[in-house]
Amino acid sequence: GAVVSQHPSWVICKSGTSVKIECRSLDFQATTMFWYRQFPKQSLMLMATSNEGSKATYEQGVEKDKFLINHASLTLSTLTVTSAHPEDSSFYICSARRGGEVGELFFGEGSRLTVL
Amino acid sequence: GQNIDQPTEMTATEGAIVQINCTYQTSGFNGLFWYQQHAGEAPTFLSYNVLDGLEEKGRFSSFLSRSKGYSYLLLKELQMKDSASYLCAVLDSNYQLIWGAGTKLIIKP
Repeated sequence: GAVVSQHPSWVICKSGTSVKIECRSLDFQATTMFWYRQFPKQSLMLMATSNEGSKATYEQGVEKDKFLINHASLTLSTLTVTSAHPEDSSFYICSARRGGEVGELFFGEGSRLTVL
Repeated sequence: GQNIDQPTEMTATEGAIVQINCTYQTSGFNGLFWYQQHAGEAPTFLSYNVLDGLEEKGRFSSFLSRSKGYSYLLLKELQMKDSASYLCAVLDSNYQLIWGAGTKLIIKP
C-alpha cells in the first residue's frame, strides 16, 4: 500500500485563487519531504525541500512567496500555490525518504493542478 | 556542473529484452536509483545501487560501474505494461537527488 499519500489528486481552480496540496507519510515519520513539479514530457524538477519545524529550502528560481510550504508535523507537509495563474498548471509531486538519507524515496500519488 | 544522461526514447518488442543506459557526472556519489513512471502517475521505486555490479530483481536488473559513472536498467520478457518512463537519479555527496530527464520506453506487440 501507499506509504506517502497526497491530496487532492486533481484540482481545477480559477486564476488568482490559492490551492493547498497535502502530503502525508502514512507509516513513518519524515523530518524532510520534497516537493517536485513536472511539466508534460519533462523530468521531475525539485522545487523545495520541506523541513519539519523550520523553513523550507527553495531551489533557485522558485518563488517562496508564491509556493508556500508548511511542514507542521513529522507526517504532514503542505504546499500552497498562491494567486495561481495558468502557467502554474502542472503535476505536483511530493516525496519522503524512509530510513535516513539513503533510505528509499517514496512518492505521493501526485496532484494535477489546472488553473483556468 | 552535475549531469545525468539517458536516452530520450526507446522502442522494444513485447517479450524481448531492453537495456536503458544512464551516465552521470555528479559531485560525489551515494548511490543510484531507478524509478518507473507511468504517464500521469508518480514515480515508483525500482532499484538502488551503491556498489559495483549487477542487482537482479525478477524481470528487472540494474548494473552500476562507479569508475565509469555508468548504470543500466535491464528489462527482460517485456510486457505491454512496461511501457513507461524510466528515471535515473543519483544521490550526490550532499544526499541530494539529481534526476535524469527520463527514458520513455515504448513496447510494441
